[in-house]
Amino acid sequence: GESVGLHLPTLSVQEGDNSIINCAYSNSASDYFIWYKQESGKGPQFIIDIRSNMDKRQGQRVTVLLNKTVKHLSLQIAATQPGDSAVYFCAVYTGTASKLTFGTGTRLQVTL
Amino acid sequence: EPEVTQTPSHQVTQMGQEVILRCVPISNHLYFYWYRQILGQKVEFLVSFYNNEISEKSEIFDDQFSVERPDGSNFTLKIRSTKLEDSAMYFCASGNYEQYFGPGTRLTVT
Repeated sequence: GESVGLHLPTLSVQEGDNSIINCAYSNSASDYFIWYKQESGKGPQFIIDIRSNMDKRQGQRVTVLLNKTVKHLSLQIAATQPGDSAVYFCAVYTGTASKLTFGTGTRLQVTL
Repeated sequence: EPEVTQTPSHQVTQMGQEVILRCVPISNHLYFYWYRQILGQKVEFLVSFYNNEISEKSEIFDDQFSVERPDGSNFTLKIRSTKLEDSAMYFCASGNYEQYFGPGTRLTVT
């Protein structure tokens, strides 16, 4: 089966700094990865995705890096803002579009 | 921008009662999903639905659970006889590969 873990349960960064949230996955056949942001009392919000044939993808202020050799995924947020405070989950597909396996989440706290 | 919607936002029910959670997926999406999240824990997959049938389900999705797409827009999750441990946030999602989540229904079983 698939297990997905995160390296840190809480990450505290100062406003304006860059944030890096990490995720490890176990199944080398995993082929599609999504980062979600979840604010308190809300559903997971799609941030950015990456397929296994890529190692980097950039969005607006966010970058996802994929290292398939060590089965590691990271989300980088540039110039972190107070509105970025939330729990961030990585989620993984393995082979089909039927099921996402979520990691345990990292709480990002942005301090002023 | 189209969104997944869910009703009700909060459902309180007594143990042993049946509940139906409702979702309206995004209209051009082909895959529909239900997930749950127990307070403070990660999001867990329950079931996926494609082409009017279940395509995959987890061990959580036992005989007490069922899903239905009764018309062209709604997607429902039924729990036949609720247990205390069914208390959680239930999220519907839809997509064609990426998944977009609704705001969730908080189910409280007393």
